Amino acid sequence: EPEVTQTPSHQVTQMGQEVILRCVPISNHLYFYWYRQILGQKVEFLVSFYNNEISEKSEIFDDQFSVERPDGSNFTLKIRSTKLEDSAMYFCASIARDTRSFATNEKLFFGSGTQLSVL
Amino acid sequence: KQEVTQIPAALSVPEGENLVLNCSFTDSAIYNLQWFRQDPGKGLTSLLLIQSSQREQTSGRLNASLDKSSGRSTLYIAASQPGDSATYLCAGLNNAGNMLTFGGGTRLMVKP
Repeated sequence: EPEVTQTPSHQVTQMGQEVILRCVPISNHLYFYWYRQILGQKVEFLVSFYNNEISEKSEIFDDQFSVERPDGSNFTLKIRSTKLEDSAMYFCASIARDTRSFATNEKLFFGSGTQLSVL
Repeated sequence: KQEVTQIPAALSVPEGENLVLNCSFTDSAIYNLQWFRQDPGKGLTSLLLIQSSQREQTSGRLNASLDKSSGRSTLYIAASQPGDSATYLCAGLNNAGNMLTFGGGTRLMVKP
């Protein structure tokens, strides 16, 4: 089965440093997402991305966050100046088409996540 | 703003039992509702998706129902097995189709 790949699996950084989390969505997918899960809390939506622009973003996704699709395969999440509260598991997800076109057997594929620890 | 709640937060059952996980949502204007499985330290695996116009979906021993009017969904697991032990998450998709709102999950333990 195709996979969404995320690197690194773990990242430790100092507060105030910039981090870039990387994702390789499934090759024929068009819609990409970032979610995060703080330990013990719900999975939270950050941003969705389609056709090289942000489709929707949550209130969490402030000016410190940015996303980019620098080439035909990678999808990145950048945090410019990390804070302690940014520590979380960050998940990338992708789907072939507009999620409103989900068929009953069409799935949103999630990566295994990057565990970000800000010290 | 959509809020999704899952009850119970944790559940422990002996192998072979049938069980029901509950999910409720505050905004009935969802496009679909999905159930995911999360294993420790892993990503999310999609189990079932119910379109807003549907009442239920089945896959093997899993059956998910949706009642939009009452803002509820249930995931029924038949003849539970130790391999079913995981956290189960439900998530509602907004009508714009670009944002899933997740519940807090039910952590299931099936004891041999």
